[in-house]
Amino acid sequence: SQTIHQWPATLVQPVGSPLSLECTVEGTSNPNLYWYRQAAGRGLQLLFYSVGIGQISSEVPQNLSASRPQDRQFILSSKKLLLSDSGFYLCAWGGRSYEQYFGPGTRLTVT
Amino acid sequence: DAKTTQPTSMDCAEGRAANLPCNHSTISGNEYVYWYRQIHSQGPQYIIHGLKNNETNEMASLIITEDRKSSTLILPHATLRDTAVYYCIVRVATRSARQLTFGSGTQLTVLP
Repeated sequence: SQTIHQWPATLVQPVGSPLSLECTVEGTSNPNLYWYRQAAGRGLQLLFYSVGIGQISSEVPQNLSASRPQDRQFILSSKKLLLSDSGFYLCAWGGRSYEQYFGPGTRLTVT
Repeated sequence: DAKTTQPTSMDCAEGRAANLPCNHSTISGNEYVYWYRQIHSQGPQYIIHGLKNNETNEMASLIITEDRKSSTLILPHATLRDTAVYYCIVRVATRSARQLTFGSGTQLTVLP
């Protein structure tokens, strides 16, 4: 069966520091991959979308970037974090009927 | 994506069936009904989806009316761990459908 991993689970970073969040998927090949952010009490905001290695679509202009160096690895990065980058970051992969399976998430607090 | 309407909240006794309704009267012929849930402080969880036939998996059953204007998610034997916000979404099943947008959903509370 398919499994999606995200780490770390929680992170506290100062403003201006770099960020790297990693997501890996097991049990499927060539999945569509997604990065979302969910602010407290808010809905999901799609940040990046990838249909394959090296193919990244940015949905919202921001302080973040994404990379997909391997088929089942998706990385979210920032060179300098802002206070507004705080939130719950979720990685997801897309099933055959475009349903989305989410990872456990990373709760980021920028101080 | 078609608009959906769900009750704000529902209670269900542990061990009983939880029936969560969703209205989607403007659904188009090529749109599917998807259900997700989000337990507090966790990521969303896909539950089930369907086009026009009733569907069942290990988590739940989905009953879609013949005119497809409404559906019901059934959790056959609710447990305390099923307490969550349940979201009904109507959308096409194509690669262009990227952003998953949840409405306000139904807060299901399973009572001991």
